[in-house]
Amino acid sequence: DIQMTQSPSTLSASVGDRVTITCRASQSISSWLAWYQQKPGKAPKLLISKASSLESGIPSRFSGSGSGTEFTLTISSLQPDDFATYFCQQCNSYPYTFGQGTRLEIK
Amino acid sequence: QAQLQESGPRLLKPSQTLSLTCTVSGGSINSDDFYWSWIRQHPGKGLEWIGYIYYSGRTYYNPSLKSRVTISVDTSKNQFSLKLSSVTAADTAVYYCARAPGYCTDGLCYRYFDLWGRGTLVTVSS
Repeated sequence: DIQMTQSPSTLSASVGDRVTITCRASQSISSWLAWYQQKPGKAPKLLISKASSLESGIPSRFSGSGSGTEFTLTISSLQPDDFATYFCQQCNSYPYTFGQGTRLEIK
Repeated sequence: QAQLQESGPRLLKPSQTLSLTCTVSGGSINSDDFYWSWIRQHPGKGLEWIGYIYYSGRTYYNPSLKSRVTISVDTSKNQFSLKLSSVTAADTAVYYCARAPGYCTDGLCYRYFDLWGRGTLVTVSS
């Protein structure tokens, strides 16, 4: 199985900050990576697919980049609604696997 | 706007079979574009892909659960279902159904999950 490792596990930031979350794959997954946002008690919400393709309706302050084994999710200017947990997911090969999550909390 | 909704028993005893159904509304499960998936999340933990099914009945399962999992589809009811046998406390989790579109190239598809149900907490306890 491909292991997905996110860093940091927890990130403290303030409204207006620029933040970056990293996701590393244990082997190359080309650009086959998705990012999700999850709030407590809710289902995950797809933000980005194919490493950098922003889903319809997702604010442009979210962006994704990377290929191979290293990927990043960047939020250019944090808004109050962005404090949540973020997961990456590889879809390069079965079984699909997720990162352990990065909790973004208010500083 | 399509929606997914999980249903099924929420409290099981060890060794029983977990059975959940996902009802698709606002769209057809008979779509060439999507697989239909089950994903679970242990309390306070990350996400685990269980498997998915195409409307034709073709399935892919996570090998870690494959011996205990069956995913089936009922196109007449616009539903797909999950059965997980011989459950233990380790199967206590929130179970989500999700729609899986993908990028398809050279005969291969790379799928992510763009639409999720609300999730249902299934507890296994004696």
